[in-house]
Amino acid sequence: DAKTTQPTSMDCAEGRAANLPCNHSTISGNEYVYWYRQIHSQGPQYIIHGLKNNETNEMASLIITEDRKSSTLILPHATLRDTAVYYCIVRLYTGKLIFGQGTTLQVKP
Amino acid sequence: GAGVSQSPSNKVTEKGKDVELRCDPISGHTALYWYRQSLGQGLEFLIYFQGNSAPDKSGLPSDRFSAERTGGSVSTLTIQRTQQEDSAVYLCASSWSGELFFGEGSRLTVL
Repeated sequence: DAKTTQPTSMDCAEGRAANLPCNHSTISGNEYVYWYRQIHSQGPQYIIHGLKNNETNEMASLIITEDRKSSTLILPHATLRDTAVYYCIVRLYTGKLIFGQGTTLQVKP
Repeated sequence: GAGVSQSPSNKVTEKGKDVELRCDPISGHTALYWYRQSLGQGLEFLIYFQGNSAPDKSGLPSDRFSAERTGGSVSTLTIQRTQQEDSAVYLCASSWSGELFFGEGSRLTVL
């Protein structure tokens, strides 16, 4: 199963862009990259996903490198409510999703 | 209902007892997932159901764990002879096309 690697923790100043990196060097051609976040004691929340092209929605942007071996989630203007654990996941062609340990993002005033 | 429903929300049991955790997915969602999250840890994959296909049980930690999904809808996760290390939040999620919708979880405490 494709595995992802993320930094354990990151800090970001409120109002600034938060850039969360993820390595997925063993990803296969038909496997999607998904991002979720989990705010303390809640169930994980979907953020965004992509295959090859960069994606943007109302929450975030996803930048995937051309070789697809890594990606970056961008929160353009981080707020204190964006403090959470962010999970980068590769969705296997079977539909199975394996979560890693995630990155704890702390947004500071 | 509008979302994924899990019950019970909290369960305290004694070591050695069996427990059943229930997940009611969003209507029409063909995929159903169970994950386990221990305190301060990430989500550990347990089992995945997709339509009528055989479930992917590769994440079940031991033969004390089993799950079934009846009629392509409700799922039950059963843990037999519970151990203290089984204490965790058990999360269920359902999906139609890839985006997972999670329930609030069942917190299991084994004394």
